[in-house]
Amino acid sequence: EAGVVQSPRYKIIEKKQPVAFWCNPISGHNTLYWYRQNLGQGPELLIRYENEEAVDDSQLPKDRFSAERLKGVDSTLKIQPAELGDSAVYLCASSSPWTSGSNNEQFFGPGTRLTVL
Amino acid sequence: AQSVTQLDSHVSVSEGTPVLLRCNYSSSYSPSLFWYVQHPNKGLQLLLKYTSAATLVKGINGFEAEFKKSETSFHLTKPSAHMSDAAEYFCVVSNSGYSTLTFGKGTMLLVSP
Repeated sequence: EAGVVQSPRYKIIEKKQPVAFWCNPISGHNTLYWYRQNLGQGPELLIRYENEEAVDDSQLPKDRFSAERLKGVDSTLKIQPAELGDSAVYLCASSSPWTSGSNNEQFFGPGTRLTVL
Repeated sequence: AQSVTQLDSHVSVSEGTPVLLRCNYSSSYSPSLFWYVQHPNKGLQLLLKYTSAATLVKGINGFEAEFKKSETSFHLTKPSAHMSDAAEYFCVVSNSGYSTLTFGKGTMLLVSP
């Protein structure tokens, strides 16, 4: 079974430029998460989707970050314009309460490493 | 509110010696606790999870962890380190629905020959 797929794996941009990350979750997983992992830190949740609906976006910096999951499957996270402090690894994860028993385990993709110059 | 504190940013061991990675948690309710491992350029992988069943939890690759409520700890151990264990390890606490994971800052495990 294919895992969570993310692209691109690496991205280098100059500040003030836009950037987008794409995530394709595990087939059948209705919950999708975007995390940001700064250097030397653990991942922090940015947004959580249940199907098409963003049910927790309290940590998403809405002035420059946006996300969408139009058909309840794959998702895009966008930053416009990017700032130096946005350099981090952006992780996508997915889960389903109907797999892994009731533990709703989150499965993570490899991440996109963003460098803003 | 919930949080985890990983007591060591780096742990160095020799191959074949025991591994101990320490984690303390804070939670206002009965927590669920996890350990994830992150190898370079790879996604986070679940090692093991505690969900209020047995307090001693066995995971993959010979790792285990013990939930101690009185000490609010969930330390990760392995009897004998292997070179392939070198990675970053994250202790994680979750709310009851497992939808919100709060990660520690991570412990980098270094294994020398």
